[in-house]
Amino acid sequence: GAVVSQHPSRVICKSGTSVKIECRSLDFQATTMFWYRQFPKQSLMLMATSNEGSKATYEQGVEKDKFLINHASLTLSTLTVTSAHPEDSSFYICSSKGKNIQYFGAGTRLSVL
Amino acid sequence: DAKTTQPTSMDCAEGRAANLPCNHSTISGNEYVYWYRQIHSQGPQYIIHGLKNNETNEMASLIITEDRKSSTLILPHATLRDTAVYYCIVRSLIKAAGNKLTFGGGTRVLVKP
Repeated sequence: GAVVSQHPSRVICKSGTSVKIECRSLDFQATTMFWYRQFPKQSLMLMATSNEGSKATYEQGVEKDKFLINHASLTLSTLTVTSAHPEDSSFYICSSKGKNIQYFGAGTRLSVL
Repeated sequence: DAKTTQPTSMDCAEGRAANLPCNHSTISGNEYVYWYRQIHSQGPQYIIHGLKNNETNEMASLIITEDRKSSTLILPHATLRDTAVYYCIVRSLIKAAGNKLTFGGGTRVLVKP
């Protein structure tokens, strides 16, 4: 069964709206979770590391005010894409770090019209 | 910086073993070799990992050379459902290193009937 649950699996929104994606670690408590983004025909790119109870760490070039990350509990991290624009359309994937293995959600396909 | 090198693509026959090579000539002593795969439009799936000994699980076998500069993932009996992009990743488990999984281009494996 799934170790990491990600919701929604697909979202279509209008330009300018905000979209929240949830990532739940089902089988273990995760102090650290990761958010990736994947454009068509490209590999996964790490956006940020989400730390429970503290601020997320963003990779270079990722706007922290646009991609808001909240990791308020040991099993839930959320990514909010604020004021989404068509160029934000992508496949967003979360990941939860277990003891030695990182598990991934099924991904959220965001389409901004 | 790319830490692993994999062939861009490869085909294999259904029912036969698939051998996926990976070069990681700059791997350091505390870095493990991880393999993930990503089936189209899904999140990455963990396959196997190892440090220096060969490893086997229900999905695959991992053969690491004695000098640890390369490894091979073996899918013993490829099925059509094994068609995916396979990623070879080196990762340190030392907390100070950040434990990030950094994805390269991977190998696009097509299993043919």
